[in-house]
Amino acid sequence: AQSVAQPEDQVNVAEGNPLTVKCTYSVSGNPYLFWYVQYPNRGLQFLLKYITGDNLVKGSYGFEAEFNKSQTSFHLKKPSALVSDSALYFCAVRDPQGSGYALNFGKGTSLLVTP
Amino acid sequence: GAVVSQHPSRVICKSGTSVKIECRSLDFQATTMFWYRQFPKQSLMLMATSNEGSKATYEQGVEKDKFLINHASLTLSTLTVTSAHPEDSSFYICSARVAGGRTGELFFGEGSRLTVL
Repeated sequence: AQSVAQPEDQVNVAEGNPLTVKCTYSVSGNPYLFWYVQYPNRGLQFLLKYITGDNLVKGSYGFEAEFNKSQTSFHLKKPSALVSDSALYFCAVRDPQGSGYALNFGKGTSLLVTP
Repeated sequence: GAVVSQHPSRVICKSGTSVKIECRSLDFQATTMFWYRQFPKQSLMLMATSNEGSKATYEQGVEKDKFLINHASLTLSTLTVTSAHPEDSSFYICSARVAGGRTGELFFGEGSRLTVL
């Protein structure tokens, strides 16, 4: 079964510093990987996805993620964090060989950016 | 981008009553919609997959008689929590896949917070 793991419950970073939110995946074959962000009491907003092609994927709000097949990772990054980036971040995976289109989500990582 | 509207955003009901939550795709057709449940500070758990014109597919452990899902059109899916109890209190989020889309990203509603007294 396809799954993702987010090893950190919370990441703290100072405004202006680079941030990384970690995600590793477990899928047989080539995965479809996604990052979503959730603000309090809101739904999820799509940030970026990796399907195929360049390992470095650029997404919304200055975020990017690097697909690393050898390390089975898809870490989310941003060169310079903003206080407004503080939110809950979810990594998700879909098995392209599977019959369904539902995404399996990691447990989420709470990002706190301090002024 | 694709917009998914979910209504109501918040609902409080008495134990034993039923509550209906609507999920609409506003600017695209969605042959498949998904219903997730999220507990505080936890991840999203897939409850069921809703296909237009057919019965929903429920995940293991989800009571289909309690969580009734109807997907009557390409833009509307509804989740009805029947005979709600306090343990059903949660944040319910729907998502939709663009019909014919291949790359797989889902678009999410804003969620509905259900509180059962």
